[in-house]
Amino acid sequence: SQELEQSPQSLIVQEGKNLTINCTSSKTLYGLYWYKQKYGEGLIFLMMLQKGGEEKSHEKITAKLDEKKQQSSLHITASQPSHAGIYLCGADLMNYGGSQGNLIFGKGTKLSVKP
Amino acid sequence: DTGVSQDPRHKITKRGQNVTFRCDPISEHNRLYWYRQTLGQGPEFLTYFQNEAQLEKSRLLSDRFSAERPKGSFSTLEIQRTEQGDSAMYLCASLSNLPPPYSGANVLTFGAGSRLTVL
Repeated sequence: SQELEQSPQSLIVQEGKNLTINCTSSKTLYGLYWYKQKYGEGLIFLMMLQKGGEEKSHEKITAKLDEKKQQSSLHITASQPSHAGIYLCGADLMNYGGSQGNLIFGKGTKLSVKP
Repeated sequence: DTGVSQDPRHKITKRGQNVTFRCDPISEHNRLYWYRQTLGQGPEFLTYFQNEAQLEKSRLLSDRFSAERPKGSFSTLEIQRTEQGDSAMYLCASLSNLPPPYSGANVLTFGAGSRLTVL
C-alpha cells in the first residue's frame, strides 16, 4: 500500500481559482516536503514543514502540516498557468533528527490551469 | 551552472543491453542519491552515497544495478542486461542544509533526470 496518499490525482482549474492538494500518511511525518515537477523534468523544491501545526507560504502557495503530523495540504491562491505541473509530497517516516534524504513520495497531483 | 547535472537526458536501448548514467552533484554536497520514477508514480529511493561510500541500498536495486562514486564527486549508475521494466526516469539528487527560516533541516536538490526507454 502507498505510504503517502495524495489527493486528488489530477485537477483542472480555471485561471484565478484557488485549489488545495492533500497529502496523508498513516504514520507520523517527521519532515514533509513539497516539490513541483514539470513533465519529464526533475523536481523543484517548494517548501518543507517540520512541526505540527506549522504553516509556510511562498508567493501564492501555502503549505500546512496538521497537529498530528500525519496530513499536509498545499493551497494555491489565484492560480496561474505557471502553476501547472505535478505536485509531489515527500516525507521522512523515520525521526532522524534531520532528513537523511531517503524520502517516501506520494504519486503526485497533476495540476492543469486553463487560461 | 551550480545545479545537479545528469547525462544523458534520454537513452533508448534494446533489451539485454547495458546502460550507464552519470550524475554530477553540486560540488560541496557530500551526499548523493539515486531515485527511480516510473510514469504516474512518485520517485522511489534506490541508493545513496556519503562521499565515496555507498551507505544504503533499496531492495529495488537488483543485482543488475550498480552504482559508484569513486572519488566522492560524480556518480554513475549502471544497469546490466536491461529489461523493459527498467524503463523509467532515473533521478539524481544531492543533500544540503536549508537556510533560515529552516532550522536543522536538509533538502534534496534534484537533477533533470535521465529517461531510459528499453525496447
